[in-house]
Amino acid sequence: KQEVTQIPAALSVPEGENLVLNCSFTDSAIYNLQWFRQDPGKGLTSLLLIQSSQREQTSGRLNASLDKSSGRSTLYIAASQPGDSATYLCAVRRGNFNKFYFGSGTKLNVKP
Amino acid sequence: NAGVMQNPRHLVRRRGQEARLRCSPMKGHSHVYWYRQLPEEGLKFMVYLQKENIIDESGMPKERFSAEFPKEGPSILRIQQVVRGDSAAYFCASSPGSLYEQYFGPGTRLTVT
Repeated sequence: KQEVTQIPAALSVPEGENLVLNCSFTDSAIYNLQWFRQDPGKGLTSLLLIQSSQREQTSGRLNASLDKSSGRSTLYIAASQPGDSATYLCAVRRGNFNKFYFGSGTKLNVKP
Repeated sequence: NAGVMQNPRHLVRRRGQEARLRCSPMKGHSHVYWYRQLPEEGLKFMVYLQKENIIDESGMPKERFSAEFPKEGPSILRIQQVVRGDSAAYFCASSPGSLYEQYFGPGTRLTVT
């Protein structure tokens, strides 16, 4: 069974800092890994999708890396802004299964 | 192209009542997934459906919960005789095919009083 863990559970940083969110998973036989953003009371917004054959993906100030062998992914946010405040969820899709396994999220607060 | 639509967005039910949650997938998507998010937790997979078929219901509680995706109309997640522990946000996602990227709806927040 796939277990997904996100550390830290919460993070508070001053505006402008670079930060790293961590995601680990127990079964390395993954199909892809996806990072989502969730604002309070809202749905999920897809940020980055990394296929199992890829090492990283970049979008603007976001960079996600994947190390399948060690069961880890990181989401790097450069020059953080108050608008980045949200909960960030990591989700892993196994092999040929269609369901995602989600971590519990990292709640980020960027202070002005 | 409208995104995944869910209604109602908020639903309040008393213990013992039935809850019906609806999900309209994106246009052209024939695969629907339901997830549940308990307070302060991540999303947990419940069920995966294609038109008129349940493909994977390994995350569905054995009793009181059922899901369907008819040939016409939205997918329905039905919870009978709700209990306080059913209070959660229920999210629907859709995709155009197997293993494609899933697009999530805004969720239905169910409160059981």
